[in-house]
Amino acid sequence: GENVEQHPSTLSVQEGDSAVIKCTYSDSASNYFPWYKQELGKRPQLIIDIRSNVGEKKDQRIAVTLNKTAKHFSLHITETQPEDSAVYFCAASIEGSNYKLTFGKGTLLTVNP
Amino acid sequence: GAGVSQSPSNKVTEKGKDVELRCDPISGHTALYWYRQSLGQGLEFLIYFQGNSAPDKSGLPSDRFSAERTGGSVSTLTIQRTQQEDSAVYLCASSLGSEQFFGPGTRLTVL
Repeated sequence: GENVEQHPSTLSVQEGDSAVIKCTYSDSASNYFPWYKQELGKRPQLIIDIRSNVGEKKDQRIAVTLNKTAKHFSLHITETQPEDSAVYFCAASIEGSNYKLTFGKGTLLTVNP
Repeated sequence: GAGVSQSPSNKVTEKGKDVELRCDPISGHTALYWYRQSLGQGLEFLIYFQGNSAPDKSGLPSDRFSAERTGGSVSTLTIQRTQQEDSAVYLCASSLGSEQFFGPGTRLTVL
């Protein structure tokens, strides 16, 4: 089955700096890669996703890149703000199948004011 | 509109007891998923429903775990003879397509 590795497990940045979180996946059939943000005590919420037919996607301060050949994808947050502090999870699934998500173990991002 | 809801929000039980966790998906969502989140871990897939059928139960950790969905809506996850290692947050999600919408979870503590 699919296996998703996520790094780093914790990341601390100063407000205004950029943050990068990286994930690798094992199943070359995976073609849908969402990123979820989970604030303390809250439910995970989708912040951005990318499909395997594109290499990069941006939404304001957030961007995701995908390298299908290397089987890795990354989340980039620019101009970080304290409200970006949360746990971020990457995931992979096969769209058109059952959409079962295989998650990485998460990255605790702390943005220091 | 209303999001995914789960009940109870917290459940404390004694080892060996059975528990039932409930999920109310977003109205009209045909797909429903159960995940388990243990401390410091990612979300672990348990089971997937499409309508009332469960074509993928591959994540259920043992035969003590079962789930059903009725009327293409509400789902119940049952854990029999609970063990301490079952302690976790159990999350439900529903979807129409790719994006899964999560509920707030049920925090289960087995003493």
